[in-house]
Formats: sequence, structure tokens, C-alpha cells
Amino acid sequence: DAGVIQSPRHEVTEMGQEVTLRCKPISGHDYLFWYRQTMMRGLELLIYFNNNVPIDDSGMPEDRFSAKMPNASFSTLKIQPSEPRDSAVYFCASRAGLAGYNEQFFGPGTRLTVL
Amino acid sequence: GNSVTQMEGPVTLSEEAFLTINCTYTATGYPSLFWYVQYPGEGLQLLLKATKADDKGSNKGFEATYRKETTSFHLEKGSVQVSDSAVYFCALSERWEGSNYKLTFGKGTLLTVNP
Repeated sequence: DAGVIQSPRHEVTEMGQEVTLRCKPISGHDYLFWYRQTMMRGLELLIYFNNNVPIDDSGMPEDRFSAKMPNASFSTLKIQPSEPRDSAVYFCASRAGLAGYNEQFFGPGTRLTVL
Repeated sequence: GNSVTQMEGPVTLSEEAFLTINCTYTATGYPSLFWYVQYPGEGLQLLLKATKADDKGSNKGFEATYRKETTSFHLEKGSVQVSDSAVYFCALSERWEGSNYKLTFGKGTLLTVNP
């Protein structure tokens, strides 16, 4: 299996622009997670889905952030409009099954820079 | 709420030195505990885990024992290599809202091993 795939790997944009990050989970995994990593705040869970349905979006920082999962093999995280403080590495992860001890598999991340 | 506290880095060691990275947690129930590792430019990957008290997780020469009495899950390795240089994250997984689980991560500890 190719693992969790994220695109783009790097994104540089200007303040106010719309940014869309993409994720393809591992086939057969029914949970998908979006995280944000910064030096100041560490790794933060933004939102997660079970069987394409959002379960917990309490980590989404504000209304400028939205996430969708139209099918089992694709998810997007959108920031509109983007701001410099959104600069971070965004990770997507997927997991198979309900059990809390099951491993989460992380993608390589998208490094976002907002100028 | 649940939380994970791990020793702040950076930690710098010489090759073949002994490694300990401390991790303690706060949780209301009986979490599973994990160590994830992040190599430069990559996503996180599972290093080891333990699902109940007194379990020992081990992988690639690393070990950690789930200590419920001290709420700890310290990571150890007897002889580190340059290739172990990475950021190490302690995490716990606990049931949240019915049958859903999510991970809570520590802030990460940067380990650098010099030849």
C-alpha cells in the first residue's frame, strides 16, 4: 500500500488567498484525521471523520477552516481566507477500526507558508 | 481533560549512550499509550504501544512500560544510534463520546545523536 498520500507537499501563498490541502487515506481505513503542527502549539487535532462523517470538529480554529470527505478515498482541508498565523505543517492520518489502540498512519504532511 | 507531559528537549547524546525520555499522563479512564517518532521531513510513525497496565511495548531496541501507579510511560533505549535522531511524541488514546477514540499528544522531544 502507498500509505497516506497528501498534496501538495509544500504550499506558499499570500494572505487572503484560498488554500486547499488534499488527503487520500489508506484503502479500507474508516477513520481520517487532520492535524496541524507548529513549534508553539505542537500537534493539534483539527477534525476527524468516521465513514466520511465528521465526528469532532472542535479543534478547527475558526470559520475560515473547513474540511470535507466526499468519499472514502478523499478528503480536503480548506482555509479561506488564509492568514500568516495559519503557517504550519498539516498532517492527515487514517486508522482502521474502532479500537483506540489501533495505529494511526500519518501522511508526510503539507508545509503551508502564508506570506 | 486528558493530557500528556513529556520532557522538554532538545536531548543531545553521543552514539551508544543510554536514552530516557520521560512521559507522564492524566486521564480519567484506562487509556492506551503510544510512542510515535517523526524523522526529519516525514510524518509521524508508530514506534511502540501498550494497552494496559504493566504492559511493555518494544520495537527497534526501544522500550516503554505502562505504569498506572505513577501514570508514566517513559521511553528507553540502551544504546542509541545516529539514525535514532528524530522527534519523539508520547500519546494516549481514550474513549471520547461513545465509541470514538482520539489521540492526545505530548509536545514532542527532539533527540540528536552525534557520532
